[in-house]
Amino acid sequence: DGGITQSPKYLFRKEGQNVTLSCEQNLNHDAMYWYRQDPGQGLRLIYYSQIVNDFQKGDIAEGYSVSREKKESFPLTVTSAQKNPTAFYLCASSIVGENGYTFGSGTRLTVV
Amino acid sequence: AQSVTQLGSHVSVSEGALVLLRCNYSSSVPPYLFWYVQYPNQGLQLLLKYTSAATLVKGINGFEAEFKKSETSFHLTKPSAHMSDAAEYFCAVSDSGGYQKVTFGIGTKLQVIP
Repeated sequence: DGGITQSPKYLFRKEGQNVTLSCEQNLNHDAMYWYRQDPGQGLRLIYYSQIVNDFQKGDIAEGYSVSREKKESFPLTVTSAQKNPTAFYLCASSIVGENGYTFGSGTRLTVV
Repeated sequence: AQSVTQLGSHVSVSEGALVLLRCNYSSSVPPYLFWYVQYPNQGLQLLLKYTSAATLVKGINGFEAEFKKSETSFHLTKPSAHMSDAAEYFCAVSDSGGYQKVTFGIGTKLQVIP
């Protein structure tokens, strides 16, 4: 079945470390997105990409980086510059020009 | 800039009662509107979407929403709540351009009381 796979589901990071969250889709969707979810704040856009080798900053890109080397993959790196990285991270994809996202099941990152 | 406001961060209903989750939007262009549902520790699932066709939109799990331009609202309803409806619901808006930057509301947690 087609869908979006996020891994790992739970991730623990020590302060000062970079970590990379994986997002893979087999839906042949052009666009991919990363959102951060915190209680009471809804979803906030970190980065998005409409085509391979191109991506744009969202509303809260500071302390994060992404790459889009393949259409299927859009990994997110949470760097040590991110002051408060503990959150639930959601990856999504869509066909450009068609509305509605398909979401992955999320990665819960905890800084210890 | 587009935005959505969800009235009520927590809503409680009795099993079998009407579910009404409120959403008002702001958009400078004709909007596309969505409702998503999220179960604990899972991603979001699309319930329904409005894309300028019929103003009454039917979605999955018996939910529906009505687009009211005069009230800038897109409230989500279900005639009879089921225990399995307990989840968090997000209203979202995007413009009708080629790139669909979607803006989400803060969510409403629905509790269903047996």
